[in-house]
Amino acid sequence: DQQVKQNSPSLSVQEGRISILNCDYTNSMFDYFLWYKKYPAEGPTFLISISSIKDKNEDGRFTVFLNKSAKHLSLHIVPSQPGDSAVYFCAASSGGSNYKLTFGKGTLLTVNP
Amino acid sequence: DTEVTQTPKHLVMGMTNKKSLKCEQHMGHRAMYWYKQKAKKPPELMFVYSYEKLSINESVPSRFSPECPNSSLLNLHLHALQPEDSALYLCASSQEYGSYEQYFGPGTRLTVT
Repeated sequence: DQQVKQNSPSLSVQEGRISILNCDYTNSMFDYFLWYKKYPAEGPTFLISISSIKDKNEDGRFTVFLNKSAKHLSLHIVPSQPGDSAVYFCAASSGGSNYKLTFGKGTLLTVNP
Repeated sequence: DTEVTQTPKHLVMGMTNKKSLKCEQHMGHRAMYWYKQKAKKPPELMFVYSYEKLSINESVPSRFSPECPNSSLLNLHLHALQPEDSALYLCASSQEYGSYEQYFGPGTRLTVT
């Protein structure tokens, strides 16, 4: 049973435009969410996170939005740059005694010059 | 220094070989993790060490044997692997087990022949 779902395997956008990557989750116990970026032949790089007590977190060009009622989060990248082309993983954790990260399958973002 | 290093980058081994993967971090993190990632799949947690003690073993076969000699080093000893064990093996660390943000190394690409 996949508890974190990224339903779009790939996304292509033009440089300078907004990239919106989506993530849905089913486990209502998740209380912390993270986005990781992964280039080929490299490990995932932590990008941005959000606690369930917030609905928005911003860091430069990256903003994560959380809609708890819909069990949905999204990552907005504005403006998109060719260097943002990578696989983006959504991850979630339920805290408590289990801080295990549950990852989605990832979305390949391609930003075209 | 926010780097997690892993050696070797690539490893090819036969099913009767014994080899080891190494991971090192100098961020003072007290939790370290081993993940396995197959192509086009999310990382899957294998082991968690907290303060140099094994905290979590996600029912990993005994042909994988983790070791944490000190707070900066994490090894994964491999013996009698199967071809289906071929994957990218990722090491990660976090400040504590309970710190959500994990920092990943570049991984070791393992091929079992």
